[in-house]
Amino acid sequence: GNSVTQMEGPVTLSEEAFLTINCTYTATGYPSLFWYVQYPGEGLQLLLKATKADDKGSNKGFEATYRKETTSFHLEKGSVQVSDSAVYFCALSDQGGKLIFGQGTELSVKP
Amino acid sequence: NAGVMQNPRHLVRRRGQEARLRCSPMKGHSHVYWYRQLPEEGLKFMVYLQKENIIDESGMPKERFSAEFPKEGPSILRIQQVVRGDSAAYFCASSPDTVRELFFGEGSRLTVL
Repeated sequence: GNSVTQMEGPVTLSEEAFLTINCTYTATGYPSLFWYVQYPGEGLQLLLKATKADDKGSNKGFEATYRKETTSFHLEKGSVQVSDSAVYFCALSDQGGKLIFGQGTELSVKP
Repeated sequence: NAGVMQNPRHLVRRRGQEARLRCSPMKGHSHVYWYRQLPEEGLKFMVYLQKENIIDESGMPKERFSAEFPKEGPSILRIQQVVRGDSAAYFCASSPDTVRELFFGEGSRLTVL
């Protein structure tokens, strides 16, 4: 079946450090891929998405590239800020229309 | 355009009581999804509904849980005879007809005493 695997957290970085959160997936067909972010006590917000292989999604300095050959969609940011502290979820859309999420990766950025 | 509205935001129930969680999708969205988030875990799909129809309930527990999305009014997730293991955050999301992106509400946090 379809599934998403993310690197375990928590990830702790200093401000302005480089961020990578790994995400790999297993799916039939060619799903769309997403990164969502959840701030404490809030719901999930879409951060970026990619709908086909080699697409790059980007938003607020975050980027992720849809890699079909490695079935990956790693999230990167060149210089993190304290305000980026949150839980990040990788997800794929299955053929039935629902999203399947990874377990989430908590990011903590220290000043 | 108001976002996905969920209520109540916080709900406390004693074991054996019923919990009803409501979700109003974004205007123009006819697809509603319910997810459950247990402490320290990711989001688990529960059910996918369109107006008056359950499309996919593969993630719903077979007993005590039900969901509806009537022609008029919000979607309702109902949990009968709650147990402590039902304590979680329940998130609703909606989408328009053909786009796969989901828009999430802020969640309803259920605590069972």
